Amino acid sequence: SAVISQKPSRDICQRGTSLTIQCQVDSQVTMMFWYRQQPGQSLTLIATANQGSEATYESGFVIDKFPISRPNLTFSTLTVSNMSPEDSSIYLCSIQTGDEQYFGPGTRLTVT
Amino acid sequence: GQQLNQSPQSMFIQEGEDVSMNCTSSSIFNTWLWYKQDPGEGPVLLIALYKAGELTSNGRLTAQFGITRKDSFLNISASIPSDVGIYFCAGQGTSYDKVIFGPGTSLSVIP
Repeated sequence: SAVISQKPSRDICQRGTSLTIQCQVDSQVTMMFWYRQQPGQSLTLIATANQGSEATYESGFVIDKFPISRPNLTFSTLTVSNMSPEDSSIYLCSIQTGDEQYFGPGTRLTVT
Repeated sequence: GQQLNQSPQSMFIQEGEDVSMNCTSSSIFNTWLWYKQDPGEGPVLLIALYKAGELTSNGRLTAQFGITRKDSFLNISASIPSDVGIYFCAGQGTSYDKVIFGPGTSLSVIP
């Protein structure tokens, strides 16, 4: 399976600021996803980010709050904008190859 | 929308015991996936199932794709302390459908 890395691994941010999370994959993939995992919860899909098209957001998530870039087949970024304490979560990027989905190590975000 | 239920929600077992957990859905899936998440890490894919009735093993782990295509089971034999973590099931219709994740089963192993 592909190796997926994320930067930063964790961060503590002040409310009102923005943080951009990077996801790098060691092979070319078409389908990339961004998930949020709130403390003690399961994974919630934020958006699907396929190269060459605009990201598709799930209900409850909007582009102004979570802008996504997908400049090529190995890289994507997710920005968490105008952060509030409710945005404190783990943010995970994911790729799909065939019928299997793989995850990065996650970015643990704490908003104070 | 589609939802998955996992049971039990949490379990505490003695080292060496076998573990069984399951995942049910009101919808049919064509793929079932089982993941393990260690604290501070992303979920790691353990087993993928593609066909109703399929039984697949990965070391001490065995998973089955239910005949009705609405459930799946994960068994862990002879548990060890490193089995501790949260186990998520996930289901997918087609490759183009969103993967749906269950709420997870938290496993604790007492040495």
